[in-house]
Amino acid sequence: AQSVSQHNHHVILSEAASLELGCNYSYGGTVNLFWYVQYPGQHLQLLLKYFSGDPLVKGIKGFEAEFIKSKFSFNLRKPSVQWSDTAEYFCAVNRRGSNYQLIWGAGTKLIIKP
Amino acid sequence: EAQVTQNPRYLITVTGKKLTVTCSQNMNHEYMSWYRQDPGLGLRQIYYSMNVEVTDKGDVPEGYKVSRKEKRNFPLILESPSPNQTSLYFCASGGASEGQYFGPGTRLTVT
Repeated sequence: AQSVSQHNHHVILSEAASLELGCNYSYGGTVNLFWYVQYPGQHLQLLLKYFSGDPLVKGIKGFEAEFIKSKFSFNLRKPSVQWSDTAEYFCAVNRRGSNYQLIWGAGTKLIIKP
Repeated sequence: EAQVTQNPRYLITVTGKKLTVTCSQNMNHEYMSWYRQDPGLGLRQIYYSMNVEVTDKGDVPEGYKVSRKEKRNFPLILESPSPNQTSLYFCASGGASEGQYFGPGTRLTVT
């Protein structure tokens, strides 16, 4: 069965630290990849997405992610985090051509200490 | 403003008492979906709809029903809620291949 793994369930960083959240998926075909963010008490918002082309994707709020096909990975990065980045981050994968299903990771709770 | 609305936002009910959570979108999307979010499990899809009168089961459909009589509305129905359906529910609109818009969530507690 297809799956998405986010290896870190909780991450605690200090402000200005660099961030990398891991995401690996198990599907071998062509995929679309997403990172969503859920700020405390809010709904999920799309942070960035990868469909094709440059494997380094830039999203909102200074986030970026790199697709490494050989590793089935789509890790999220930010060079310098802020307190306002405290949130839960979800990786999701959609099989290319399958409009109807996103496979979700379990999420990573990120806490930024001021 | 593009948005997905859900009501109610919070609901406490008792086992067996039928309830409906409404969802509405103003983006003319054909595809809509319901998820439940539980700690450590991420989001799991309950049902989805590809268009009016077209619905299908997601990963965890047991105990839920949906209907899609109009393009903008996609209510989630719990005919006989049980405590294991206590969860945070999200409605989403838009195809998975573009990225979905999510509603604000409905926190349901079944006692």
